[in-house]
Amino acid sequence: GESVGLHLPTLSVQEGDNSIINCAYSNSASDYFIWYKQESGKGPQFIIDIRSNMDKRQGQRVTVLLNKTVKHLSLQIAATQPGDSAVYFCAEAGNTGKLIFGQGTTLQVKP
Amino acid sequence: NAGVMQNPRHLVRRRGQEARLRCSPMKGHSHVYWYRQLPEEGLKFMVYLQKENIIDESGMPKERFSAEFPKEGPSILRIQQVVRGDSAAYFCASSPTLGTDTQYFGPGTRLTVL
Repeated sequence: GESVGLHLPTLSVQEGDNSIINCAYSNSASDYFIWYKQESGKGPQFIIDIRSNMDKRQGQRVTVLLNKTVKHLSLQIAATQPGDSAVYFCAEAGNTGKLIFGQGTTLQVKP
Repeated sequence: NAGVMQNPRHLVRRRGQEARLRCSPMKGHSHVYWYRQLPEEGLKFMVYLQKENIIDESGMPKERFSAEFPKEGPSILRIQQVVRGDSAAYFCASSPTLGTDTQYFGPGTRLTVL
């Protein structure tokens, strides 16, 4: 069945370091992937997305990498800041538009 | 340009009561999705609607739950005869068109069943 999962439940990094959050997906037919950030008590906030015809996409301080061969997705955050502390979810878009979310990785940024 | 709006933000119900959650999509968006999030878990898809149509309700429990998106007004997620296991955060998202378009989420409604 379809599933999207994350490798690590918690990631702790020093302020200023780069962060890498990983995600595995199982549906090789998926063609759209999104990273969301969720702060406590708030709704998921769109960070960046990527379609299956791309391997890499960059935004402001964030980069998403897609490896379709091993069905792996990662989010890289450059120069991590305290405001980046949150739970990060990868999501896979199903063919009807519904999103399939992973369990989430908590990013803790130490000052 | 207002984002997705949900109300109420917090809702407390006793077992057996009804809960009504409302969602107004972003301006220009005609597709609405509802998700449920249990504590310490990811979001789980419930239902996908367009105006006056349910497109995919594969994530909806078979009983007590219903959703609508009328021609006028917000989308409504209705939970009848609530039980403690319904306590969760319910999020609504909207997108402008079908399928693989970015979904933008509202702030959620946190339902507590006593």
